[in-house]
Amino acid sequence: AQSVAQPEDQVNVAEGNPLTVKCTYSVSGNPYLFWYVQYPNRGLQFLLKYITGDNLVKGSYGFEAEFNKSQTSFHLKKPSALVSDSALYFCAVRDVYTGNQFYFGTGTSLTVIP
Amino acid sequence: GAVVSQHPSRVICKSGTSVKIECRSLDFQATTMFWYRQFPKKSLMLMATSNEGSKATYEQGVEKDKFLINHASLTLSTLTVTSAHPEDSSFYICSARDRQIATNEKLFFGSGTQLSVL
Repeated sequence: AQSVAQPEDQVNVAEGNPLTVKCTYSVSGNPYLFWYVQYPNRGLQFLLKYITGDNLVKGSYGFEAEFNKSQTSFHLKKPSALVSDSALYFCAVRDVYTGNQFYFGTGTSLTVIP
Repeated sequence: GAVVSQHPSRVICKSGTSVKIECRSLDFQATTMFWYRQFPKKSLMLMATSNEGSKATYEQGVEKDKFLINHASLTLSTLTVTSAHPEDSSFYICSARDRQIATNEKLFFGSGTQLSVL
């Protein structure tokens, strides 16, 4: 079965510093990986995806993620954090082999400290 | 961009009553919609996959007789929580995939429904 793990419930980072939100995956075959963000009182929004190609994927709001096959990781990164980046971040994997469902990690709450 | 409308955003009901949540794709046709349940600061748990014109596929551990899903058209799926109990209190989120996008890899989410059962 496909699954993703987000080992950190909470990440705190100072404004202006680089941020990393970790995600590891377990899939059969080639992974389809995604990052979504949930801002307070709003729905989830798509940030970026990895399907194939370049291991470094660039997404919305200056975020990027690096696909690392040997480490089975897909960490979300941003060079300089903003206070407005404070939100709940979800890593997800799409199961393309059994039904195209999306399975989400447990979420990481990011707080950017002014 | 694609918009998914979920209604109501918040509902409070008495134990034993049924609650219906609607999920509509406003500017695209969704052959597949997914229903998730989110606990406070917890992951999104996939409950079921709803395909237009066919029966929903439920994830293991989800009671299909309790969480009734109907996907009667390409733009509407409904989740009915039957005989709700306090333990059903949660945040329910729907999502949809656009059938017009060839690879339709990206999900569009509704804004969620906070269900509180007294």
